[in-house]
Parts: sequence; C-alpha cells; structure tokens
Amino acid sequence: DIQMTQSPSSLYASVGDRVTITCRASQGIGNFLAWYQQKPGKVPKLLISGSSTLQSGVTSRFRGSGSGTDFTLTITNLQPEDFATYYCQNYNSALWTFGQGTKVEIK
Amino acid sequence: QITLKESGPAVVKPTQTLTLTCSFSGFSFYTTGVGVGWIRQPPGKALEWLARIQWNGDKHYSPSLKSRLTITKDTSKDQVVLTMTNMNPADTATYFCARTVVPAVPFDYWGQGTLVTVSS
Repeated sequence: DIQMTQSPSSLYASVGDRVTITCRASQGIGNFLAWYQQKPGKVPKLLISGSSTLQSGVTSRFRGSGSGTDFTLTITNLQPEDFATYYCQNYNSALWTFGQGTKVEIK
Repeated sequence: QITLKESGPAVVKPTQTLTLTCSFSGFSFYTTGVGVGWIRQPPGKALEWLARIQWNGDKHYSPSLKSRLTITKDTSKDQVVLTMTNMNPADTATYFCARTVVPAVPFDYWGQGTLVTVSS
C-alpha cells in the first residue's frame, strides 16, 4: 500500500503569513491527491482534489500543486479561520491512505 | 442535498463485534462511480481510511485491518454497513462515513461521525 508522509507535523504561523505543507507519496499517484481541513471537534472538509482543483466555495488563498510523489498545499495571507489540521489523502489506487496531518497553530 | 449519518453503539466490549450503519440521502448507488467509505479517528490522532464500497459492488479494505472488516451495501435502502470484529481499546475512535465518486472525487461529503468507545 501507498504511504503518505506530511511535513511538518505542526507549525506556528501568524495572521497574514504564507504557509506551505508538503505531502510525499511512497510511490507515484499521478494527481490523485486531496487535501482536507479539520477544525477541533468538526468533520473534515475537502479543500482540494486532483492535486490542485479547489472545491466550490473554498477561498483562493488555498493552492495545491504537485504530481507523482510530491505535493504541496500553500495557504497565503493566513486568516484566523485557517488555523486547523490539514490532511493529504491518496485516492489513486484501490487502497486509499491519509497523511498523518499537519497542525497549523497561532504564533 | 447530500447527507450521511452514522449509527451504532457508543460502547462495545473488548472482543465484541462492532456494527455501524451509514444512512445517506441525496445520492444513490444506482449512479456509476458512487461509493461510500469509512474513516476513523482516535481521539487526538489522525484520520485512518478503513474501507470503501463502490456502486458496482467492488470492496476495498485497509490492509492492516482487512481481516477484521466487512463492508456491505443495501442499494434499495441507501445504507452501508461496516462490521469490525474482535474490538479492542485501540479501536476507540470517531467513525465517519463519507461519499466518493470515483475516479475523480475523493470524500466530498461526510457524516457527523459517531464515537465508539471500547471498554469493559
């Protein structure tokens, strides 16, 4: 099965900052990579599918990129509502996997 | 409007079998590509994909849990059932069901989740 490794596991940032989270797959997955945002006590929310396609209603401050094994989620002009945990997910093969998550905290 | 809702016991004893039901509306297994998956999240920990069943009956399981899981669907009732055998305290988690539409759409709609505690 394909392993997904996110880095960093956590980071501290300030409002207005630009934040970058990376996700690496143990083997190529094309662009079958999704990003989710989860706030404490809430259901995960799909932000990006197909590595870079923003879901309807998601702010353009979120940008996804990458293909194959290396992917990036970039958040520009970080806002208070963006402080959350972010997960990448492989959905290329029959067996799907999540990364271990990246917690974005307020500095 | 697409909704999913998980139901099942809040507490199970070690060694027991857990049965969870996902009841959904707003979409159907009669539609090509539709699938429903199960994901769990232990308290304070990461999401873990468990299983997925597709409109055509294809089933996929997490390799680490495959021997303990069974996923089935009732197309006419718009329900998916997940059973997990031999429950142990490490299985304490919130269990979510979610919709997918393969190949392009991962889990786009999620249920609210149900917390299952394994305790004697």
